[in-house]
Amino acid sequence: AQSVTQPDIHITVSEGASLELRCNYSYGATPYLFWYVQSPGQGLQLLLKYFSGDTLVQGIKGFEAEFKRSQSSFNLRKPSVHWSDAAEYFCAVPSGSARQLTFGSGTQLTVLP
Amino acid sequence: EAGVVQSPRYKIIEKKQPVAFWCNPISGHNTLYWYRQNLGQGPELLIRYENEEAVDDSQLPKDRFSAERLKGVDSTLKIQPAELGDSAVYLCASSLDGVKNTEAFFGQGTRLTVV
Repeated sequence: AQSVTQPDIHITVSEGASLELRCNYSYGATPYLFWYVQSPGQGLQLLLKYFSGDTLVQGIKGFEAEFKRSQSSFNLRKPSVHWSDAAEYFCAVPSGSARQLTFGSGTQLTVLP
Repeated sequence: EAGVVQSPRYKIIEKKQPVAFWCNPISGHNTLYWYRQNLGQGPELLIRYENEEAVDDSQLPKDRFSAERLKGVDSTLKIQPAELGDSAVYLCASSLDGVKNTEAFFGQGTRLTVV
């Protein structure tokens, strides 16, 4: 079964600094990959997804992610973090005949003023 | 357009008591999901419905958890009796046609505390 690992439990960055959140997947073929964000007290919101084609994917809120097959990674990036980006971020893959999502354990992002 | 609506937002109950959560998915979405999110972890699927049929309930603790989706629209998740370890956020989500072809939208969740 497909799975994802998020090695960083908690990351702290200063506002305006760049951000990279790590996600590693385990799957033989080209996977489908997702990044979701969960703000405090909110449901999960889709930031971006990768299915095929261009390995650099643009998402909402200025986020992007790059699929690297050689590293089995799909890291999320943002060039300049805003205080409102403080949230928990989840990487996910499809499961159950691609009808549902399996999530990583999440990375909590703290943004310092 | 209204998103996925869940109620209540918060619930505190004593152990061994029953509790129920309600979910109204986005209109027209055939697939409905219930996830449980423990503190500091990612959401884990409890059950998935395709219309009114439960097609994946392998992770649902069937001795105490039950769910239904009448008429393929609203859904209710019940726990009876609740245990201390059931404290978590219960998330409902819906999608038009699975997650590869269409986006899954999540509700705000119900935070359950069992004391």
